[in-house]
Amino acid sequence: DAGVIQSPRHEVTEMGQEVTLRCKPISGHNSLFWYRQTMMRGLELLIYFNNNVPIDDSGMPEDRFSAKMPNASFSTLKIQPSEPRDSAVYFCASSLEAGATIYGYTFGSGTRLTVV
Amino acid sequence: GDSVTQMEGPVTLSEEAFLTINCTYTATGYPSLFWYVQYPGEGLQLLLKATKADDKGSNKGFEATYRKETTSFHLEKGSVQVSDSAVYFCALRANDYKLSFGAGTTVTVRA
Repeated sequence: DAGVIQSPRHEVTEMGQEVTLRCKPISGHNSLFWYRQTMMRGLELLIYFNNNVPIDDSGMPEDRFSAKMPNASFSTLKIQPSEPRDSAVYFCASSLEAGATIYGYTFGSGTRLTVV
Repeated sequence: GDSVTQMEGPVTLSEEAFLTINCTYTATGYPSLFWYVQYPGEGLQLLLKATKADDKGSNKGFEATYRKETTSFHLEKGSVQVSDSAVYFCALRANDYKLSFGAGTTVTVRA
């Protein structure tokens, strides 16, 4: 199993540009999560998908952020326009959601975003 | 709501020292408890878990016991190595999808 695959690993972009982060979850997992990690705020849950449907997007900071999951094997997180305060490491994670709480998440290696 | 409180770091130890990272939780129902580890520049990896009271999770020499009476899940390792330097996160998953994380504890082991 290749695990959760994120791309790119690093992204440097100028303020105002559009940024798209990509994630491929583990095959068979039906839950997908996007997290943001910063020194100041730690790990923040941005959005949660179950069976490709967004269930909870209360953590999305503002309208500049959007996420999609067009199928079970792919998700994107888009920031448009990007701002320097969006600089962070963005993690994608996936999980089984078989109605039980015993499953943890499997995280990708993250995308380090720097907005200059 | 569900939450996890773990000891603040940073923690600095010498090699072969004993490590304890305290974690307590608040949750409704019967949560599962997890410890995740994040090595520099990497994502979080599941270190160990326990899904019911009195269960002991163990992996790579680390152990943690699910104590319902004290609502705790403290992480321990008897003899740390330099390679154990990382950030450790305690987490719980209660009655829904959400995995609630603690703030993380940075551990540095000196040779």
